[in-house]
Amino acid sequence: AQSVTQPDIHITVSEGASLELRCNYSYGATPYLFWYVQSPGQGLQLLLKYFSGDTLVQGIKGFEAEFKRSQSSFNLRKPSVHWSDAAEYFCAVGAGNSGGYQKVTFGTGTKLQVIP
Amino acid sequence: GAGVSQSPSNKVTEKGKDVELRCDPISGHTALYWYRQSLGQGLEFLIYFQGNSAPDKSGLPSDRFSAERTGGSVSTLTIQRTQQEDSAVYLCASSSGQGASEQFFGPGTRLTVL
Repeated sequence: AQSVTQPDIHITVSEGASLELRCNYSYGATPYLFWYVQSPGQGLQLLLKYFSGDTLVQGIKGFEAEFKRSQSSFNLRKPSVHWSDAAEYFCAVGAGNSGGYQKVTFGTGTKLQVIP
Repeated sequence: GAGVSQSPSNKVTEKGKDVELRCDPISGHTALYWYRQSLGQGLEFLIYFQGNSAPDKSGLPSDRFSAERTGGSVSTLTIQRTQQEDSAVYLCASSSGQGASEQFFGPGTRLTVL
């Protein structure tokens, strides 16, 4: 069974500073990897996903993530954080099968606070 | 529809009562998922539907929880004899079901059991 670890429960960064949110996964094969964002009072929105190919993935809102198989990691990065990025971020790993079913396991989330 | 919708948005009930939570997925999406998000916790998988069948019910926490989906569209999550530990936000998501496709989430139903 797959699992996801987000070691940082809460992170505070200054507006304009760079950001890196950590995600480590456990899965026996090549995983499907996702980052979702949940803004206060809103549903989850997909930021980016990795299925195969280029290990550096670009997403919406200026986010990117890099799949590192050797480290079982899929860290999320942004070069310059905006106040509107304050939200909770969830890393997720999916294990698909031939029938198209994908069981997605979510991490416990990292809450990002942005200070002026 | 434009997105996944859930109703009600908030539900307050008394311990021991039954509740029904509804999810309307994106039109044409064959896969539907239910998750539970408790305060300070991640998303806990409950059940997955492909069409009207539920090949994976492994996340349902007890036999008080059940779900059905009709017409390959609307799904209802039922919690019988609610307990205080059932208080959480219940999220529904749908996807096209093709390979590793993106899940689109609804806004959730916040359930409070007094």
